[in-house]
Amino acid sequence: GDSVTQTEGPVTLSEGTSLTVNCSYETKQYPTLFWYVQYPGEGPQLLFKVPKANEKGSNRGFEATYNKEATSFHLQKASVQESDSAVYYCAFNSAGNKLTFGIGTRVLVRP
Amino acid sequence: GGIITQTPKFLIGQEGQKLTLKCQQNFNHDTMYWYRQDSGKGLRLIYYSITENDLQKGDLSEGYDASREKKSSFSLTVTSAQKNEMAVFLCASSTGTGGSQDTQYFGPGTRLLVL
Repeated sequence: GDSVTQTEGPVTLSEGTSLTVNCSYETKQYPTLFWYVQYPGEGPQLLFKVPKANEKGSNRGFEATYNKEATSFHLQKASVQESDSAVYYCAFNSAGNKLTFGIGTRVLVRP
Repeated sequence: GGIITQTPKFLIGQEGQKLTLKCQQNFNHDTMYWYRQDSGKGLRLIYYSITENDLQKGDLSEGYDASREKKSSFSLTVTSAQKNEMAVFLCASSTGTGGSQDTQYFGPGTRLLVL
């Protein structure tokens, strides 16, 4: 069945260092891939989405490339800030209105 | 732009109690959703609705009822609260017309604790 596997958190790092959160997906469909971010006390909000294979999405210094061959969509940021502390969710919407989410990766950035 | 409002923010109930959570959106979106968020389990879909008076079951619908009274509102009822249950319930909406590219917009959540 459909599923998403992502880096188990928490991921703790220092300000100015690089971040990678791995995401792999499994589906028989050709999905649109999403990264959502959730800050404390808020609901998830879209970071970016990529509908096509081999294309890259980006926002606020975060980026991910849709790799259909490897079924991966890893999130990266070259230099994190304390304000990037949040939970990051990888998800896909293969057909219709349903999103399949990963379990979320908590990222803690120390000043 | 728009906003999704969920009430109440916090809900404390007793075992066996029926509890209702409410959601309103002013995006004028057709489709609305209810998710349950548990630590370590991500977001799981309970119910969704593609238009007024429509209901579709998600993966976690057992133990819940839902009602789409009008386009802007979607309610979720926990039919019998389970002791020691603790979760966040998230409401979301989307245009429903974009197919697999549809973006879902989330509310801030209702935090449930059952004593």
